[in-house]
Amino acid sequence: DGGITQSPKYLFRKEGQNVTLSCEQNLNHDAMYWYRQDPGQGLRLIYYSQIVNDFQKGDIAEGYSVSREKKESFPLTVTSAQKNPTAFYLCASSLSGSSIETQYFGPGTRLLVL
Amino acid sequence: GENVEQHPSTLSVQEGDSAVIKCTYSDSASNYFPWYKQELGKGPQLIIDIRSNVGEKKDQRIAVTLNKTAKHFSLHITETQPEDSAVYFCAASHPSGGYNKLIFGAGTRLAVHP
Repeated sequence: DGGITQSPKYLFRKEGQNVTLSCEQNLNHDAMYWYRQDPGQGLRLIYYSQIVNDFQKGDIAEGYSVSREKKESFPLTVTSAQKNPTAFYLCASSLSGSSIETQYFGPGTRLLVL
Repeated sequence: GENVEQHPSTLSVQEGDSAVIKCTYSDSASNYFPWYKQELGKGPQLIIDIRSNVGEKKDQRIAVTLNKTAKHFSLHITETQPEDSAVYFCAASHPSGGYNKLIFGAGTRLAVHP
């Protein structure tokens, strides 16, 4: 069953804590993306990766970090520097990043601050 | 910066009526325009997309039209059903440093009443 999985579905963060959101895909896609979604707003790009071992900052990268050690995996860490982390986080992938390819989204992780 | 404006923000129709959602974009280099449907608590799902070399595309009850001169594109849903109720997002591609990012509209909440 091909697709994109994200875990956990809900995540709670305490003050000063770093948390990591998981994103895995078995679509053999080269490109992967992280978006943040806030109520009443469109999706905003946090980071993207066109290929393994390479990633680029998106529009709102401050307070976040990523790694891309494997083609299938693109974890996102929300650091303590991110002062307003409460949001719905969406991971996506596409066949490639350089040409215009359809982006497919995972089910999302909702991050809440305790 | 580049942006996509989406209207209306909310839309309420009776079952069987048509629904139209409109988006305008600012980047004349945009040439890919997907539409996503997002149900509550889930990730967005691609429902239709259009590339700049065509003016209209149809898939059963949904259609998208594109006017590149005016920089706007629209989603048309005919014979609406209660299961069409969701948030719909438009997006436009934006070339950036060898990569094509998507700029998303703020979304339209569609409610179809039986």
